[in-house]
Amino acid sequence: AQKVTQAQTEISVVEKEDVTLDCVYETRDTTYYLFWYKQPPSGELVFLIRRNSFDEQNEISGRYSWNFQKSTSSFNFTITASQVVDSAVYFCALTLDTGRRALTFGSGTRLQVQP
Amino acid sequence: EAQVTQNPRYLITVTGKKLTVTCSQNMNHEYMSWYRQDPGLGLRQIYYSMNVEVTDKGDVPEGYKVSRKEKRNFPLILESPSPNQTSLYFCASSRIQGSNQPQHFGDGTRLSIL
Repeated sequence: AQKVTQAQTEISVVEKEDVTLDCVYETRDTTYYLFWYKQPPSGELVFLIRRNSFDEQNEISGRYSWNFQKSTSSFNFTITASQVVDSAVYFCALTLDTGRRALTFGSGTRLQVQP
Repeated sequence: EAQVTQNPRYLITVTGKKLTVTCSQNMNHEYMSWYRQDPGLGLRQIYYSMNVEVTDKGDVPEGYKVSRKEKRNFPLILESPSPNQTSLYFCASSRIQGSNQPQHFGDGTRLSIL
């Protein structure tokens, strides 16, 4: 069975600091997909990014960047110059290439950005 | 606006009183799913549906029922709710082509079973 570990339960930073959220996954499948979701205080889940197991290119989107390394089974998420609006719980998730496509979520990292 | 709509957003009820949480999506997605979120456990899949009249169990289906009579709707039914079903519930939908399609989530339904 697959597993996603987010070891950082809570991180607190001051605005404008850079912060990296760690995600380590386990799966025996060679084809899988990784996702990051954001859950702001209002409670909804917002999709941020997906990555295929066969595509190790890193990605940057504005202040957000993602580093995918198959060798270490990690898919880390960095926020550059953090802002108060980034305060949320962030979830890393994995799904396999099967019909059920259930997302296996990590337990989440709560990020608090202080002004 | 493309969205997944859940109702109600909040519900407090008592043990044994049947309830239904509705979920509707306007994106013509074939795939729909229900998750529950509990502290320290992340989100876990309850049931999923690949298309109309096609449903199957997820990781934690006990105590729940679903139906998929129409493509846009996927209600979650608790026939006899119990306190251990107190949780935050999310409905999600996605296109069916490829497992890498992101699932779009509703805003969540917070259920409290007394």
